[in-house]
Amino acid sequence: GAGVSQTPSNKVTEKGKYVELRCDPISGHTALYWYRQSLGQGPEFLIYFQGTGAADDSGLPNDRFFAVRPEGSVSTLKIQRTERGDSAVYLCASRLDRGGELFFGEGSRLTVL
Amino acid sequence: AQSVTQLDSQVPVFEEAPVELRCNYSSSVSVYLFWYVQYPNQGLQLLLKYLSGSTLVESINGFEAEFNKSQTSFHLRKPSVHISDTAEYFCAVSSGTYKYIFGTGTRLKVLA
Repeated sequence: GAGVSQTPSNKVTEKGKYVELRCDPISGHTALYWYRQSLGQGPEFLIYFQGTGAADDSGLPNDRFFAVRPEGSVSTLKIQRTERGDSAVYLCASRLDRGGELFFGEGSRLTVL
Repeated sequence: AQSVTQLDSQVPVFEEAPVELRCNYSSSVSVYLFWYVQYPNQGLQLLLKYLSGSTLVESINGFEAEFNKSQTSFHLRKPSVHISDTAEYFCAVSSGTYKYIFGTGTRLKVLA
């Protein structure tokens, strides 16, 4: 596709459940990012991939959060044992060149009841 | 460590009036600077960017921002706003590595 695609756009789940959020970046973009945006806040860095490897996962809040990018394209953010505090919009972005701009998807809104 | 400060959380302004949204950053190295806009229920879209060269950069819809190294600022301005400019605006900084740090955003509300 022409832009960054994220699915699902909305996800409602119950506390304690497992959730997967998918990101399909722009073709050819080797760098991929996950951010989390809570209400009234700016995007908060979670994890950065260069190719297939997670080059920096220092923003992941705890070990319930994990992300993969097995073939260097599509990425999946996985959240185990969801908590109400995980409710937020999860944004994915990709980038072509170092120093260039990030291209964002429309986000996946996660609501944990 | 890099950081971005957007002091104004909300800015109300009347249509056709000028507006300035403030952004200050801290970084010990050269930076790339960005302004993103987020319309309701949409993702972030790049509005304009400073990478190098002229310190004044412009967008296609009339916004401009000026990189001021001595004041570590990258304020966004528009001489005459429209209702359609109502959105949230985020300033971001990158040192040219992979780190992109975002401010907390400024909600611009254009009033008729």
